Amino acid sequence: DIQMTQSPSSLSASVGDRVTITCRASQSISSYLHWYQQRPGKAPKLLIHVASSLESGVPSRFSGSGSGTDFTLTISSLQPEDFATYYCQQSYSTPVTFGQGTKLEIK
Amino acid sequence: QVQLQESGPGLVKPSETLSLTCTVSGGSISHYYWSWIRQPPGKGLEWIGYVSYSGSTNYNPSLKSRVTISLDTSKNQFSLKLGSVTAADTAVYYCASTMIRGVKADAMDVWGQGTTVTVSS
Repeated sequence: DIQMTQSPSSLSASVGDRVTITCRASQSISSYLHWYQQRPGKAPKLLIHVASSLESGVPSRFSGSGSGTDFTLTISSLQPEDFATYYCQQSYSTPVTFGQGTKLEIK
Repeated sequence: QVQLQESGPGLVKPSETLSLTCTVSGGSISHYYWSWIRQPPGKGLEWIGYVSYSGSTNYNPSLKSRVTISLDTSKNQFSLKLGSVTAADTAVYYCASTMIRGVKADAMDVWGQGTTVTVSS
């Protein structure tokens, strides 16, 4: 199985901050890396597909980059609604695997 | 826009079979892949498996011996059965539509709201 490791596991930031979350795969996954946002009590929401493709309706302050084993999710200017948990997921091979999540909290 | 809704018992006894259904509205079940994912309380996401529009399946090896995912195209539904459940199977269960890349599953773009299943006697 491909292991996905996110860092940090938690992060405190303020509205307006720029934040970056990292996801590392245990082997190369090309660009088959996706990012999800999960607010408390809600289902995950797909934000970014294949490393850098922003889903329709997702604000442009979200961006993704990377390929191979190292990927990043960046939020350019945090808004109150962005405080949530973020997960990366690889679809390069089955079993599909997720990172452990990064909880973004208000400072 | 496709919408998904999970349904099924919220309480299952140990050693019994957990059965859930996902109803798809706003689109045909015959043109996508369909996944189940679960999330134990306070923990991360675990992929259970998916079924393709043709009925072929792919399961997480950690659950493969206990899992069946199937399609019912006449009802625009797909279902999950997980046998011999224990307390470790207590989780929120999500169904999701899944993008296709060639013949492989890709990202999960639309999710149901989730349904909580507790395994307890």
